[in-house]
Amino acid sequence: DQQVKQNSPSLSVQEGRISILNCDYTNSMFDYFLWYKKYPAEGPTFLISISSIKDKNEDGRFTVFLNKSAKHLSLHIVPSQPGDSAVYFCAASAEYGGATNKLIFGTGTLLAVQP
Amino acid sequence: EPEVTQTPSHQVTQMGQEVILRCVPISNHLYFYWYRQILGQKVEFLVSFYNNEISEKSEIFDDQFSVERPDGSNFTLKIRSTKLEDSAMYFCASLPGLAGVEQFFGPGTRLTVL
Repeated sequence: DQQVKQNSPSLSVQEGRISILNCDYTNSMFDYFLWYKKYPAEGPTFLISISSIKDKNEDGRFTVFLNKSAKHLSLHIVPSQPGDSAVYFCAASAEYGGATNKLIFGTGTLLAVQP
Repeated sequence: EPEVTQTPSHQVTQMGQEVILRCVPISNHLYFYWYRQILGQKVEFLVSFYNNEISEKSEIFDDQFSVERPDGSNFTLKIRSTKLEDSAMYFCASLPGLAGVEQFFGPGTRLTVL
């Protein structure tokens, strides 16, 4: 049951260039989407989120784009820095807040930013 | 900055033994969750907890699993009789309240069942 899919297991980019990480989902009940970053031996760290009523949300170097009709979202990191090297998880939720706000995760994309 | 903490960082146990994984969520948060990640697989939801009771649980969270908030700070996951396939990273997460979707995750406990 892969409701959230990240089809690229890994991505390598040069420092200073743009990193684009992609995520697809199948469940039309999802209303909120989040990106988490995870370093080895640490828990996921929240990066940025977007509501389904928006198509773009920006926070510093990070921008998330949502195409609801295509059930696709992407995370853009500009410019990429070596410290961005980590596994990036896309997650989705059908609820806003509350105990039923379980997150459904994708399998992750390992981003390597080369100096 | 407040953070979710988990102990132990690594737990090794024999198949059939009981384990208790401990979490201290962020102090003013109201909603608590357990997730697990089997090596090489995705992070999976196990259970959510609010107001001292389970709100939702996944198919993974069978009778061998239980959660408890024994006091005002700790949140525990117990596995009564561990199986080899329970070997995974277990993450605790918490959510401040009704407004927001960003769950804050702990560093995880690596459970190894031999």
